[in-house]
Amino acid sequence: QVQLVESGGGLVKPGGSLRLSCAASGFTFSDYYMTWIRQAPGKGLEWVSYISLSGNYTDYAASVKGRFTISRDNAKNSLYLQINSLRAEDTAIYYCGRENIGVTGRPVDYWGQGTLVAVSS
Amino acid sequence: SYDLNQPPSVSVSPGQTATITCSGDKLGNKYVSWYQQKPGQSPFLVIYQDNRRPSGVPERFSGSISGNTATLTISGTQVTDEAAYYCQAWDSHVLFGGGTKLTVL
Repeated sequence: QVQLVESGGGLVKPGGSLRLSCAASGFTFSDYYMTWIRQAPGKGLEWVSYISLSGNYTDYAASVKGRFTISRDNAKNSLYLQINSLRAEDTAIYYCGRENIGVTGRPVDYWGQGTLVAVSS
Repeated sequence: SYDLNQPPSVSVSPGQTATITCSGDKLGNKYVSWYQQKPGQSPFLVIYQDNRRPSGVPERFSGSISGNTATLTISGTQVTDEAAYYCQAWDSHVLFGGGTKLTVL
């Protein structure tokens, strides 16, 4: 069965950095675009970034562009998000998701359990 | 930027029909998905391509679209359906509505 397991979250000071990881299993990882979505406490879902099959194309939300970097290692079935220059407003649960580009509308058909990033001094 | 608009909350009695709307400019030209998120859990896909159900999703969940408004309908709503529901479309990237809290009481 499809599984996505995030790790790497934690408490970090403003200006700090973290690297989030997402381990994928149960499907052919290299056949799917992957995406990061976050949810601030008590708030809705916010798309953060996505990456193409081979990793040669990426895109970012305006709120994180220049500070976050998405990458993938298809040999390790893993997705990553390097987050730098963290701000208080980056505090959120970060979910990795499988974006199904084979379906019109590109639904996120599987989600991980999320990893919490908390930014505070 | 493209916005998807949802009502913040909807209330329904058990056994009744709940309808949650999602509106956006030219939404009828896109395809809408819906996600259910219960407290403390990850979102879960319940409708894709406007009206298709993934395997395992109960038949009481259905989707439709008319003009610029997509609708998630839950027939015979159960207490276990109480959750936040998010619509989603794709406009150069995944885009979510603000979410609707469904209360079943």
